[in-house]
Amino acid sequence: ETGVTQSPTHLIKTRGQQVTLRCSSQSGHNTVSWYQQALGQGPQFIFQYYREEENGRGNFPPRFSGLQFPNYSSELNVNALELDDSALYLCASSLDAAGANVLTFGAGSRLTVL
Amino acid sequence: QKEVEQNSGPLSVPEGAIASLNCTYSDRGSQSFFWYRQYSGKSPELIMSIYSNGDKEDGRFTAQLNKASQYVSLLIRDSQPSDSATYLCAVIRQSGNTPLVFGKGTRLSVIA
Repeated sequence: ETGVTQSPTHLIKTRGQQVTLRCSSQSGHNTVSWYQQALGQGPQFIFQYYREEENGRGNFPPRFSGLQFPNYSSELNVNALELDDSALYLCASSLDAAGANVLTFGAGSRLTVL
Repeated sequence: QKEVEQNSGPLSVPEGAIASLNCTYSDRGSQSFFWYRQYSGKSPELIMSIYSNGDKEDGRFTAQLNKASQYVSLLIRDSQPSDSATYLCAVIRQSGNTPLVFGKGTRLSVIA
């Protein structure tokens, strides 16, 4: 059974650029959630995808968008990057979208915006 | 008031002692509570979940939940230097469609 894998692990962008982060969910999991974790903070919920549809969204602007594919892998896209977007981006998969299901996190993608 | 509050620490305890980590939450209807451990530069790892009032023990870890006080805690017995990490409290709210709401985390340092 494979866990949650994310790519790239590290990347550096400049303000105004766009970035795409990728996530492969754990085998058997159909739900993917994305979190942003700034330095010294807890993870903040960005959005969740269930069966290729957005199934909930946190307090993030529309320039944060996502996709989920038929194999349940997912992408997080961020347009018009800002310095405050520098953070660890965590993908987590779960067996279902129901709230009580446990999330399994990937290792994260660390984004630095200069 | 933040939805999930934790003392950011650092909390320093000697090796072999009991570490006590605390968390309060604001949504009285919350039903599911989790403790994640996060080593520096790594992703969160689930160590305990608790859903009903009382204590739940798993090895050296005990989670305690008091819904009336909106309080959840994690005790780590016989603390080891390898327990040094940030411990994140996470809650599933009754309202809204957010899988988990996290606190800022408490940094624990176990001194050998």
